[in-house]
Formats: sequence, C-alpha cells, structure tokens
Amino acid sequence: DAKTTQPPSMDCAEGRAANLPCNHSTISGNEYVYWYRQIHSQGPQYIIHGLKNNETNEMASLIITEDRKSSTLILPHATLRDTAVYYCIVRVAAYGGSQGNLIFGKGTKLSVKP
Amino acid sequence: DGGITQSPKYLFRKEGQNVTLSCEQNLNHDAMYWYRQDPGQGLRLIYYSQIVNDFQKGDIAEGYSVSREKKESFPLTVTSAQKNPTAFYLCASRSRTGTGFEKLFFGSGTQLSVL
Repeated sequence: DAKTTQPPSMDCAEGRAANLPCNHSTISGNEYVYWYRQIHSQGPQYIIHGLKNNETNEMASLIITEDRKSSTLILPHATLRDTAVYYCIVRVAAYGGSQGNLIFGKGTKLSVKP
Repeated sequence: DGGITQSPKYLFRKEGQNVTLSCEQNLNHDAMYWYRQDPGQGLRLIYYSQIVNDFQKGDIAEGYSVSREKKESFPLTVTSAQKNPTAFYLCASRSRTGTGFEKLFFGSGTQLSVL
C-alpha cells in the first residue's frame, strides 16, 4: 500500500474551513484514499473515502488531484469539536481473501481555536 | 445500538500478571483487529482475525495473545512477557463491500497502566 505524508499539526479558526493536505505520490490506480479522525482518548472514526472522483458527505469533502498524487480533506465550517488527529490512509481495494490492513500513521493534529 | 464494546476503560497490571482486555461486536463482521497506541503515535497492529477460529500476528504481537472462539468476541491477553504494556489499546471490526471499500469501526479503547 502507498505511503502517505501529512503535516504534523495545523490550526484553524472556529467557523472557517479546515483544509488538511495529504501527499500520496506513489498511489496506484486501484488504491482508495481514506480519512479517519481520532478525538482525544477515543477510537478513530471513519470520515470519508474516494478513489478517483471528489466526494462529499455530511462530515466533509474530499478533493483528489487529477493525477491522484495528493488529496485534501475539507471541513467546511470547523467547530471546536473538530479538534482531533486526522489520518490519511491509502489502501488497495480489498476483495475476498486479500491481505493487508489499513495503516494508521501519526496523522495531522488539527486544533480549532475560538 | 450496534457497535464495538471494549472493557474495561481503565486497567492496571501488576508485574508478572497476565491481564485480558475484552472486545465484543454486534455488527456481524467477520474481521476484527487489535491495535496499540502510545502517546503521540499512530496505531500499531497487534493481531487480527479474518474469521472465527483463525487469527494472524500483526507488527507487534510479541507478549500478546488472542482467541476467536465466537464471531462476536476477540479478547486480547497482555502477558507478563510484554515488558512495556502501558498504552491505549483499541479494538476494531471491519466491513467490506463488493467494490473493495473497507470501513473500520473502533471501540472506545482501554488504557492499560502498570502498577
């Protein structure tokens, strides 16, 4: 599975958009981009995923560049409760007995400030 | 509610003691996982199980053991051989779709400390 690179920390003002970048320059054509977040002392929570197209759900938007070498997670109106560590993970599409697992690196610690 | 239940939330281990962390799920998922998290670090995989009565070592299995006798349950034992057990332990189960999309569902974790 491709490696990812994320900044260790970012700040964002409450009510503004938070844009979290992720570099995955070695991604291959059948690898999904996943985003999870972990609020302090809790288990990680799935946010969104994408393959080629941009995606949006009730939590966030995911923008994937045309060459798929990087992506950005957007929280459109960040609140204090969005303060968490955000993990960007790349993983091959998994079928049947495929091996391997989602690998969680250190992620980006997002601090939303009033 | 459907989900993953981990217990206890806090656990203390004396030197030389084995302790067992509980993980139960009612999501009907085949695959389950145990991760360890140290302060400021990512998650490291200890063991995983793709199906009942089968499990595989992850990256840091030494000093740990698991069993998978029921689909719903995947307990983790931290043995006395694990010399540095203080960490936050997370259990997860996985759903998978026909498109190859996977989603992990995590419990709320167990903080293990050494007395």
